[in-house]
Amino acid sequence: DAGVIQSPRHEVTEMGQEVTLRCKPISGHNSLFWYRQTMMRGLELLIYFNNNVPIDDSGMPEDRFSAKMPNASFSTLKIQPSEPRDSAVYFCASSSQGSDTQYFGPGTRLTVL
Amino acid sequence: SQKIEQNSEALNIQEGKTATLTCNYTNYSPAYLQWYRQDPGRGPVFLLLIRENEKEKRKERLKVTFDTTLKQSLFHITASQPADSATYLCALGGVRGYNKLIFGAGTRLAVHP
Repeated sequence: DAGVIQSPRHEVTEMGQEVTLRCKPISGHNSLFWYRQTMMRGLELLIYFNNNVPIDDSGMPEDRFSAKMPNASFSTLKIQPSEPRDSAVYFCASSSQGSDTQYFGPGTRLTVL
Repeated sequence: SQKIEQNSEALNIQEGKTATLTCNYTNYSPAYLQWYRQDPGRGPVFLLLIRENEKEKRKERLKVTFDTTLKQSLFHITASQPADSATYLCALGGVRGYNKLIFGAGTRLAVHP
């Protein structure tokens, strides 16, 4: 059974460019989480969807960040315009109804030059 | 202020010994606590969950305790092996009723042959 799938695995872009990160949760899971991990701040929750609806976006750093979940099998995290301080590893995780366990994807390593 | 603290320095132990990792928190009232393992370049992987009404949980060589009075969880790996070398993250869950997780910074464990 495939786990959480993220693409791309690595992204290098220049400051000011738009970046789109993609996530496919585990089939049947109804909660989806976007995290950012840096050495300085650790693993931080950015936004959390339940049944495709954003429940908590209090971790989204600023208006440059946006996330969508158009259907149960796909979500995007967009940064526009990107800045060097956005460089981090971005993880997507999913969990099933009634479960407190989260399953993480392999992450996207983003470098903004 | 709210805080989750894990040993910031790496823990180095000899193969066969028991590794004990600590997670302390302040100003949270989690419904449960989880431990995850993270290897370099990979996403966190769920290991164990313990609820607020449970004192201890075991799984093979792993044991976790949860003291809601001390606001502390201890994570033990018995008969440690070099393959146990990784970063271990504790995460508080069920805060404010959501199943979102708040992660500690993690402790790096190195098991030497």
